[in-house]
Amino acid sequence: IAGITQAPTSQILAAGRRMTLRCTQDMRHNAMYWYRQDLGLGLRLIHYSNTAGTTGKGEVPDGYSVSRANTDDFPLTLASAVPSQTSVYFCASSDTRSSVDTQYFGPGTRLTVL
Amino acid sequence: GQNIDQPTEMTATEGAIVQINCTYQTSGFNGLFWYQQHAGEAPTFLSYNVLDGLEEKGRFSSFLSRSKGYSYLLLKELQMKDSASYLCAVMDSNYQLIWGAGTKLIIKP
Repeated sequence: IAGITQAPTSQILAAGRRMTLRCTQDMRHNAMYWYRQDLGLGLRLIHYSNTAGTTGKGEVPDGYSVSRANTDDFPLTLASAVPSQTSVYFCASSDTRSSVDTQYFGPGTRLTVL
Repeated sequence: GQNIDQPTEMTATEGAIVQINCTYQTSGFNGLFWYQQHAGEAPTFLSYNVLDGLEEKGRFSSFLSRSKGYSYLLLKELQMKDSASYLCAVMDSNYQLIWGAGTKLIIKP
């Protein structure tokens, strides 16, 4: 693994189904983030974690949950998917202790909810 | 509320210079970032400004004026591979990034 990976690359999901998007980083960054990106809108923060064992809500957390059991992994779960959750989801990580807190992004998951 | 404004789309010619503007209104300021995003790919970091002035990195430069809530990204000697979206983001008082919707840059031969 080099950097940050996400799985799956894309997924079509029936409304009402449960789905977990996976994110793993090998940079030993303390902070991780989940964003959604929709056409015409900026990246919107869903949830974040500043360190293993802690999580926080971002701008659009409803319908999503996260966990941070260890430094490397930060899965995002949709408990009961709805069509408005159709989007591209990006996971990112950063070292907030560095002089420039730069976020590095995974390749994204394209999710379609029908 | 917090707001980042950038033009939706710009067109420029290969070999030319283009300036992409970004204005912001945020609760606090802890730095401004520019990212490049090619279609279907992840955003990648380009530049960071926290003090007023110009930061130069090869063909790309970024300028910041905190008093005006304004930044621009300057791309010189444009190449076809520079066709992408350019995202402006500001780190607010809670150290969260607030993102603009991005500027789609189209390069014509």
